[in-house]
Amino acid sequence: GAVVSQHPSRVICKSGTSVKIECRSLDFQATTMFWYRQFPKQSLMLMATSNEGSKATYEQGVEKDKFLINHASLTLSTLTVTSAHPEDSSFYICSARSPSVRAYEQYFGPGTRLTVT
Amino acid sequence: GDSVTQMEGPVTLSEEAFLTINCTYTATGYPSLFWYVQYPGEGLQLLLKATKADDKGSNKGFEATYRKETTSFHLEKGSVQVSDSAVYFCALIMATGNQFYFGTGTSLTVIP
Repeated sequence: GAVVSQHPSRVICKSGTSVKIECRSLDFQATTMFWYRQFPKQSLMLMATSNEGSKATYEQGVEKDKFLINHASLTLSTLTVTSAHPEDSSFYICSARSPSVRAYEQYFGPGTRLTVT
Repeated sequence: GDSVTQMEGPVTLSEEAFLTINCTYTATGYPSLFWYVQYPGEGLQLLLKATKADDKGSNKGFEATYRKETTSFHLEKGSVQVSDSAVYFCALIMATGNQFYFGTGTSLTVIP
């Protein structure tokens, strides 16, 4: 099946710094990628939807200036957490979909654990 | 709004025990329903799905039936194995939407 990778799998950064998380579709072209955030013992919450070559669409309550999303190619989307604070510590998961499949056929990455100290 | 509520864990079972993980949903229309599984260190994998009422999704011995009258999609397996230890997520997506709505996940541990 289709494979989506994320890098890094874990990252620890200091408060005030920025960190970039990569999401790659390894064997298909993903015109649409999704970024989710998961708090401990809570659901995955959709943060934003990114389409290749255009600006991301953010969900209500998500700060677009804090969570910068770039989908510059058909196989790569990046999420940059700018000026990170401890409350940004979370598990971030991406998913990817190619245009030829149904909306629910999304493939998920393994997630990135971000810890801000 | 649309949402999914699933049984809280963690759940610990002995090998060959019967498994049920409850999932109910709230939706304004007619969603498609899913169970995803996440093994340690891996991404979410689709376990099974049902796209309309009374459909039964099945895979690897797991089953779930889309019950519109009770707005439920409970996951069952007759005899669990140690290799089934994972976190299970119930989810829905509307036919006209892109967004998945996930439950909180249920951690299952199967002991020999």
